[in-house]
Amino acid sequence: DVVMTQTPVSLSVSLGGQTSISCRSSQSLVHSDGNTYLYWYLQKPGQSPQLLIYKVSNRFSGVPDRFSGSGSGTDFTLKISRVEPEDLGVYYCYQGTHYPYTFGAGTKLELK
Amino acid sequence: QVQLQQSGAELAKPGSSVKISCKASGYTFTTYYISWIKQTTGQGLEYVGYINTGSGGTDYNEKFKGKATLTVDKSSSTAFMQLSSLTPDDSAVYYCARSNSFGGFAYWGQGTLVTVSS
Repeated sequence: DVVMTQTPVSLSVSLGGQTSISCRSSQSLVHSDGNTYLYWYLQKPGQSPQLLIYKVSNRFSGVPDRFSGSGSGTDFTLKISRVEPEDLGVYYCYQGTHYPYTFGAGTKLELK
Repeated sequence: QVQLQQSGAELAKPGSSVKISCKASGYTFTTYYISWIKQTTGQGLEYVGYINTGSGGTDYNEKFKGKATLTVDKSSSTAFMQLSSLTPDDSAVYYCARSNSFGGFAYWGQGTLVTVSS
């Protein structure tokens, strides 16, 4: 199975600040169809995960432009700028290229 | 609006089975696959498998073969996951989630807590 390694495990950020989360995969996530099926989710306390970014860098409907995704191959990054209180929770990367699909272990974003 | 409504929490004894439901609304049920995801504190999020809601075809993560059985009832736009031969390791929150044209899971159920205890 593809291992998704997220760093750091936790982050402390000030409101209005900027931060980033790294996700590395044990294999290239480029699919034979040319797409890279790397996604980012946010799970707020007591809620189901919600989709933020799909296929590396595309924001899902309604996601603020404070969130941006980048990367290629095996290295990916989620950047969050102008952090707001509703951004707090656990962020997960997920790969849908190689079956079985796998998630990272999560990065907890907390307030400083 | 798209909604996935899951059945309520289950308390089950070791060796028994449970069947969780996921009722979809707000879209044509057979257009998108439904996947199931397990969440535990220790193992995080694990992909269980998916079902083609149109054909009923399934694919399972090898880890969950023999443990999970996915089915659908198109007449009620409901997907089901049966977990059999339960052990305490099966205690978790289970989510159903709907795929999208770009892959991934744009919509999730609220989760069903399964607790296995004697």
